[in-house]
Formats: sequence, structure tokens, C-alpha cells
Amino acid sequence: GEDVEQSLFLSVREGDSSVINCTYTDSSSTYLYWYKQEPGAGLQLLTYIFSNMDMKQDQRLTVLLNKKDKHLSLRIADTQTGDSAIYFCAESIVGNTPLVFGKGTRLSVIA
Amino acid sequence: GAVVSQHPSRVICKSGTSVKIECRSLDFQATTMFWYRQFPKQSLMLMATSNEGSKATYEQGVEKDKFLINHASLTLSTLTVTSAHPEDSSFYICSARWQGSSDTQYFGPGTRLTVL
Repeated sequence: GEDVEQSLFLSVREGDSSVINCTYTDSSSTYLYWYKQEPGAGLQLLTYIFSNMDMKQDQRLTVLLNKKDKHLSLRIADTQTGDSAIYFCAESIVGNTPLVFGKGTRLSVIA
Repeated sequence: GAVVSQHPSRVICKSGTSVKIECRSLDFQATTMFWYRQFPKQSLMLMATSNEGSKATYEQGVEKDKFLINHASLTLSTLTVTSAHPEDSSFYICSARWQGSSDTQYFGPGTRLTVL
């Protein structure tokens, strides 16, 4: 079945890089996504990567995909206090099905 | 990016009343929308898939008579919590699927429901 796993917590110092990891089980996933949720808000799409890509970079964000190991990571360079939030990894399976979400990683940035 | 709105953002109601939450895709058409529930410090729980012009598909354990979903147009889905009870208090979030190449879901800002 479909399953997406993430570590629950990550704490980093301001200015350091953050790396949030995610593993998934369904090899037929087409797209993989990273969403950010700030307290009391909905989910904001940060970035996504097509399953045949290895890497995608967008300003401070770098997504790495290892399809063989079914491992996805999100690297945030020069982490700021405004990056403190919950980050959700999600995958899209072929067909008109909902995204499968991980439980979210709570990133705390220490000033 | 695409914008999805929800209304209201917060609602407080008495036990036994019904509450309607609207989800709108503002700049794109969405044949499919999704409704989620989120408890404090927990992940999203998918409640149902809302399909324009047809009946919603509910996840196991979600009462379809209690959580009524209507997807009357390509830009609007509504969730009505009928005969609300305190245990229905939660954060409800909708999303709309963009039918473009990335198959992305865009989320609304959420509705905080408190049932007294």
C-alpha cells in the first residue's frame, strides 16, 4: 500500500542548512511534493519534482530524489526563523487519486 | 501559483447546529476537490474526495450523512457539518486539484470550527 514516512522533528540554528527527509513506498508515484504549513494556516506548496528527475533547485530550496531508494529530501539553505513550520512530503500516484501525505516534520529554527 | 479560498476562516457554533464551509478555486477550474481534517499537532486526515457533478467519495470511517459535500460547480465545493457536536471541533482544510501537468493540489487556508 501507499505510505509516506518522515521524521517528526528537526531543530537547526539560524543560518545553517536544514535537510528534511522523506521515504515513500509506491514506486508508481508520478510527482513528489513539499508543502509548508505555518501555525493556523493551510498548506503552501513549496516545490515539486517529477519522478524522473534527480534534483530540482529553486532559490534556497533543493529537492533531491533517489527513486531507487524511494527517498526524497528537501534542503533549505541559510535557514531563517521564518522557515519554522511543519513540512509535509506528499506523493501523487497515477490516476485520479488524492495525494498521499507524510505526517509532517516540525522544523524549529533557533536564533 | 493557484489560489484556493475558504470561508469562513473561523466559526463557533452551538452543539446541534449545522455549519457550512465553502471552498473556492479562484483562478482555475477544479473538477476534483478534497476535504481534510487536522487535529492539533497531527497530520492531515483525508475525509472525502469531492467530484464536480457527482457524489463525493468518502474515506472509511467518515459519516457521509454527517459531513455533506456538494461540488456544484467547477470552482466551488461545500462541506456541511450537520448536527455538530464538540468532538467535531477541528481544523478543516480543503484542496483543489489543478488539472495541469503537475497534478498539484492547492490548499485553502483552513477553517477552524469550534462547537460549544
